[in-house]
Amino acid sequence: AQKVTQAQTEISVVEKEDVTLDCVYETRDTTYYLFWYKQPPSGELVFLIRRNSFDEQNEISGRYSWNFQKSTSSFNFTITASQVVDSAVYFCALISPTSGTYKYIFGTGTRLKVLA
Amino acid sequence: GAGVSQSPSNKVTEKGKDVELRCDPISGHTALYWYRQSLGQGLEFLIYFQGNSAPDKSGLPSDRFSAERTGGSVSTLTIQRTQQEDSAVYLCASSFGTGGEKLFFGSGTQLSVL
Repeated sequence: AQKVTQAQTEISVVEKEDVTLDCVYETRDTTYYLFWYKQPPSGELVFLIRRNSFDEQNEISGRYSWNFQKSTSSFNFTITASQVVDSAVYFCALISPTSGTYKYIFGTGTRLKVLA
Repeated sequence: GAGVSQSPSNKVTEKGKDVELRCDPISGHTALYWYRQSLGQGLEFLIYFQGNSAPDKSGLPSDRFSAERTGGSVSTLTIQRTQQEDSAVYLCASSFGTGGEKLFFGSGTQLSVL
């Protein structure tokens, strides 16, 4: 079975603090893809990053960074020096196309509140 | 258009009525997905279409729900005899394929069943 767990329901931080959003996934497949999406108050989900299972390199994009560790089945997302505009719900997602199913499995999301 | 378009953006209906929700994917995208997001919840898979293949309907919660995709483009999600528990945001997404490409989401249809 495939599953994505985002144990943090809601996180509140003060502006300029660093914050890490956790994502733990389950799949039996060796080929899979992981994603993070941001859903701001406006409602439309925005793609942030996509990683495949063969690439464990960490990635940094501006204030955002992602730590992919197959040993712990985790794909965590860190925002450095958070800003009020980072306030949103963040979703982690998984797809294993070689399993024969093409569903994207989403976690329940983490609501991030960045206070000024 | 440049993005995934959904209509209407809001729909209020009475219990027992039928509703149709429309999704216009990005041109050239062969895969189209419907998800449901209830208040404060994650995204629940409903159905996906990929090219001319049979759709995966495994996420449809009951036989009151159906969807079609005409000409490999526009999709309509139909809910018959709506119930209050159908109230949610219905999200449509499209992608170039189903090989792990990123999804592009529409703004969703907020459905309220009174």
